[in-house]
Amino acid sequence: GESVGLHLPTLSVQEGDNSIINCAYSNSASDYFIWYKQESGKGPQFIIDIRSNMDKRQGQRVTVLLNKTVKHLSLQIAATQPGDSAVYFCAEGYGSSNTGKLIFGQGTTLQVKP
Amino acid sequence: DTAVSQTPKYLVTQMGNDKSIKCEQNLGHDTMYWYKQDSKKFLKIMFSYNNKELIINETVPNRFSPKSPDKAHLNLHINSLELGDSAVYFCASREDRETQYFGPGTRLLVL
Repeated sequence: GESVGLHLPTLSVQEGDNSIINCAYSNSASDYFIWYKQESGKGPQFIIDIRSNMDKRQGQRVTVLLNKTVKHLSLQIAATQPGDSAVYFCAEGYGSSNTGKLIFGQGTTLQVKP
Repeated sequence: DTAVSQTPKYLVTQMGNDKSIKCEQNLGHDTMYWYKQDSKKFLKIMFSYNNKELIINETVPNRFSPKSPDKAHLNLHINSLELGDSAVYFCASREDRETQYFGPGTRLLVL
């Protein structure tokens, strides 16, 4: 069935290092992918998205890579800061803006050590 | 101003009770959602409404009944609450195909 999963449940990095969070998906029909950040006690917050016709997209300190051949998605965070500590979710989506839906992965906890 | 707001933030109740959670968005979006996040942080879509019309119903028990009085509001009523309903419920509003804004969540605990 459809599923989106993450390779590691917890990632611990040193402040200032780069972080890489990975995600595997199984639905080849998904046409966009999104990364969300969820801080403790808050709702998920949109970080960056990528469409299936792209393999890389960059934002502010974040880069998302998409490898459709192996159905793999990653989020790279440059110069990780304590404020980056959160749970990160990947989600795959399909359908229009009115009827489409997101399927979320399990989540990876990112811990930033000072 | 809060873009997506939910009330209450915390809800503690007994099994068998009926409760409602309210959601409002001031973003002018047409599409809103309810999600359930379990104790392992797994986030799953429950319902989607587009301009007051039900679009997605993800095989949720019929004890859960969403209602959208207008496109800025999406409420969730739960009848005969069960222990397994304990979770965090998130409302979200959709700007475009890729961008959803989530509310702060309602933490429901059924005793």
